[in-house]
Amino acid sequence: QVQLQESGPGLVKPSQTLSLTCTVSGASISNGGYYWSWIRQHPGKGLEWIGYIYYSGSTHYNPSLKSRVTISVDTSRNQFSLKLNSVTAADTAVYFCAGLHVGTAMVDYWGQGTLVTVSS
Amino acid sequence: QSVLTQPPSASGTPGQRVTISCSGSSSNIGSNYLFWYQQLPGTAPNLLISRNNQRPSGVPDRFSGSKSGTSASLAISGLRSEDEADYYCAAWDDRLSGPVFGGGTKLTVL
Repeated sequence: QVQLQESGPGLVKPSQTLSLTCTVSGASISNGGYYWSWIRQHPGKGLEWIGYIYYSGSTHYNPSLKSRVTISVDTSRNQFSLKLNSVTAADTAVYFCAGLHVGTAMVDYWGQGTLVTVSS
Repeated sequence: QSVLTQPPSASGTPGQRVTISCSGSSSNIGSNYLFWYQQLPGTAPNLLISRNNQRPSGVPDRFSGSKSGTSASLAISGLRSEDEADYYCAAWDDRLSGPVFGGGTKLTVL
């Protein structure tokens, strides 16, 4: 059974960098077949794709966030990470890590989500 | 503003049939699979309909999906109180090279 678990600070100050890590268990990131993704959901709102990384390290980001986002992967730890810099209150959201199937573009796996609040 | 368009709310009484629409464009729904997810409060979305109209194992046959052109719909028949949730459509977008989502539809069972 594949499980994803987000970890990182729940509170970030404005202008600082939001950093989250997703630990994958039950599957190896190195096996390929999935775009390891970050998706966020503003309070009471819909879902927004942030970006993804493939096991090879290739990345693709939502153009609306591209200038502030970096996603990296550590295959030795079976983890992938998100960094979002220069955050504002508008970045307050629940952040999900997810496994997006390359062939179908279906989100096969979701983390439970973690609320990150941007506030001083 | 979400790329895919859904009505913000829908409602029905127990036993009724309700449908939720999802509208997109040729770069997403028009050329790729459409998925539906159900999200209960405080939880991650859960796959409800795969590849336009396929039900994953465990999903009751009261739920059905369809797609035509750049639009899709989710139908729920024999509405039950436990169906009260938020529903999201999603598809790959060829222009974005990433997934896009609808804004979500909050279903209320009256």
